[in-house]
This record gives sequence, C-alpha cells and structure tokens, in this order.
Amino acid sequence: EDQVTQSPEALRLQEGESSSLNCSYTVSGLRGLFWYRQDPGKGPEFLFTLYSAGEEKEKERLKATLTKKESFLHITAPKPEDSATYLCAVQAADDYKLSFGAGTTVTVRA
Amino acid sequence: KAGVTQTPRYLIKTRGQQVTLSCSPISGHRSVSWYQQTPGQGLQFLFEYFSETQRNKGNFPGRFSGRQFSNSRSEMNVSTLELGDSALYLCASSSGPGRELFFGSGTQLSVL
Repeated sequence: EDQVTQSPEALRLQEGESSSLNCSYTVSGLRGLFWYRQDPGKGPEFLFTLYSAGEEKEKERLKATLTKKESFLHITAPKPEDSATYLCAVQAADDYKLSFGAGTTVTVRA
Repeated sequence: KAGVTQTPRYLIKTRGQQVTLSCSPISGHRSVSWYQQTPGQGLQFLFEYFSETQRNKGNFPGRFSGRQFSNSRSEMNVSTLELGDSALYLCASSSGPGRELFFGSGTQLSVL
C-alpha cells in the first residue's frame, strides 16, 4: 500500500524566514508526486507535479524537489499569504488515485 | 475556463437519511475522482470514473456509490448516513493519468 508521510505537522515562520517541508513516500512505481496548497474551507489548489528523481520545479517563492524516497517543498522568504496547509500526494504507476499525506500547516507571521 | 463545480456547498442530514452530491468537471476533462476529507483521516480516496466507467474504488463501505454521465458530470451517493460520514467531500477532475487533479471547493456534509 502506498504511504506518504509529511513533516513537520505544523510550522510557524516569521515573514522572510525560509524553510523546507518534507514528504517521504513509499510507492510501487511512481507515476507522479503532487504538491497542493489548501486554505481553510476550500479544496486543494494544485502547485506542482514531479515525475522523476532529480526533477525540480519553481513557482514564485516555492520550489519543489524530488528524490527516489522523498520530496521537499522549499519556501523562500515567505509572506503571510503563504500561510496554508501544504499537501503532498503520490500516484502509483498502475493506479489512478492519489494517496495523500496528512499535510503541513504553515503559519507565516508578519 | 470554469473550474470544478460542486453542489451543494453545505448539507445537513440526520442519521439514516441518504444524500446525493453533484460535480461538474472542467470542460474537456473525462476523469472525475471523489475524496473524503476529515480532520482525523485526512484525504481519503473514494472512487474514480472515466468515460462513465468506475476505474478504481477506495476502501469505503458499499453505502458509498457514484456514477458518471455521458457529459462527464458525476454524482456520488451515500445511503443510510452515519455520524462518521460527516466530512468535506471533494470532487476533482483530470485530463488523464499522471496529470494533475483540479479540485472543487467541496461539499461540507454534517450528519446529526
């Protein structure tokens, strides 16, 4: 069974204080690893898809990287509007569903 | 381009009742998935449909069912509601395997 573990559970940052979120996974053949952002009361918002080890993607202050066992989401010089729960999910090569981690709740104080 | 639309946004039901939730995917997307989100269990996969066929089903009891219509719109039904069915039900659409899922805002179901 696919397993996704995210750490830490919660992260409190000062505005401008860069940090990283971790997503470790176990899957029998990775088709893709996905990062989402979710605000309270809303559905997850797609951020990135990573397909193979060594791949990196960037969007504004966010950068996602992938190895064979884990992915990192780096937040550079965060702003209060980056406060959200960040979810990681994997899709196995022989499956269509996403298996999600529990998420990391990020709070950025001004 | 319109996003994924889910109706209704909120529902309050009592135990034993049944409920039907509706989802309209992004235009052109033929794959629709449903997820249940609760504070304790996080996001759990319910089922996935493609071209009116259920391709995958999660570990939920038979009280949870769904279907997809020829226009790719989807519905899910929960019969004989239990208190533990209270959750945010999320629908997502995708253009194909390995492609990103785009989620709707969800239907918040409360079972009293």
